[in-house]
Amino acid sequence: DGGITQSPKYLFRKEGQNVTLSCEQNLNHDAMYWYRQDPGQGLRLIYYSQIVNDFQKGDIAEGYSVSREKKESFPLTVTSAQKNPTAFYLCASSIGSLDEQYFGPGTRLTVT
Amino acid sequence: AQSVSQHNHHVILSEAASLELGCNYSYGGTVNLFWYVQYPGQHLQLLLKYFSGDPLVKGIKGFEAEFIKSKFSFNLRKPSVQWSDTAEYFCAVNPGSGNTPLVFGKGTRLSVIA
Repeated sequence: DGGITQSPKYLFRKEGQNVTLSCEQNLNHDAMYWYRQDPGQGLRLIYYSQIVNDFQKGDIAEGYSVSREKKESFPLTVTSAQKNPTAFYLCASSIGSLDEQYFGPGTRLTVT
Repeated sequence: AQSVSQHNHHVILSEAASLELGCNYSYGGTVNLFWYVQYPGQHLQLLLKYFSGDPLVKGIKGFEAEFIKSKFSFNLRKPSVQWSDTAEYFCAVNPGSGNTPLVFGKGTRLSVIA
């Protein structure tokens, strides 16, 4: 059963802590993406990766970091430098950057 | 920078009413166009896409969209909505070449009432 998994579904952290969100895909897609979804803001791109060991900043990369050591995995770290980290985070993948994206179920992060 | 505008933030319709959600983009070259839907509590999923060919595109669940190049538009339509169409709808665009990822609009929340 192919797809994208994100874990956990809900995550709670104290301010000042780094937290890593998991994203795994078994679709054999080259490209992977991280978005942040806030009410009324749509999806804003944080980072994307078109191939293993390479990634680019999106529109709102400040306070976030990623790695792409394996094709199927693209973890996102929300650092303590991110000023407003509470949000819904979506991971997606696609065959290539021009193709349709497939989305995971999302992780809702709450930082207090 | 490329941008995507969805004119309606929240649309409320009665069941069986017709739906049209607007989407305009700013990119002037060849584009790939998408509509995604996010039902309450579910994954974002693709409704339909346009890459080339017939500008009237049919998608799942009776949705369709028309690409009008001269108007930089890709409006989503459905002749008769159902309560189950209640969801958030996102238009997305990327250039038809290069490595630029999708740009999403801010979304339109559709509420269908009985």
